[in-house]
Amino acid sequence: GENVEQHPSTLSVQEGDSAVIKCTYSDSASNYFPWYKQELGKGPQLIIDIRSNVGEKKDQRIAVTLNKTAKHFSLHITETQPEDSAVYFCAASRTNFGNEKLTFGTGTRLTIIP
Amino acid sequence: DGGITQSPKYLFRKEGQNVTLSCEQNLNHDAMYWYRQDPGQGLRLIYYSQIVNDFQKGDIAEGYSVSREKKESFPLTVTSAQKNPTAFYLCASSETTGLVRETQYFGPGTRLLVL
Repeated sequence: GENVEQHPSTLSVQEGDSAVIKCTYSDSASNYFPWYKQELGKGPQLIIDIRSNVGEKKDQRIAVTLNKTAKHFSLHITETQPEDSAVYFCAASRTNFGNEKLTFGTGTRLTIIP
Repeated sequence: DGGITQSPKYLFRKEGQNVTLSCEQNLNHDAMYWYRQDPGQGLRLIYYSQIVNDFQKGDIAEGYSVSREKKESFPLTVTSAQKNPTAFYLCASSETTGLVRETQYFGPGTRLLVL
């Protein structure tokens, strides 16, 4: 089955700096890679996702890059703000085989230092 | 308001007791999922359902049971056979377009504690 590894487990950055979180996956058939943000005591919220037919996707201060050859994808947050502090999870799945499951990384606790 | 609701927010279980967690969605999504989250770990899939009256085991189904009698509802029962039930339980749903499952959206979660 799929295995997703996520690094680092904790990350502290100064407000205004950039943050990068990296994930690797094992199943070359995976074709969908979402990123979720989870605030304390709440359910995860989708912040961005990418499919295997593109290499990069941006949404304002957030971007995700995908390297299918190396089987890794990364989340980039620029101009970080205090409200970016949360736990971030990456995930991978096949979405077009009729029986897919999302496999999650173990999470990165991001702290923005004012 | 469209979305996924889970109740209760907190649930206490006594030894040997079965408890049921509620999950309701009004997004008209076909697929629904239950995940378990332990501190410092990722989400692990317990059960999922692609259509009404059908569900499949996930990676950690032992000690849990589900039903899917209605499209909008997917309750999870934590049975007495689950020896370590203390965790944060998350329900999710997704739309299906043909054979492609779309993005999963999560509810606010239920925290289960053992007395």
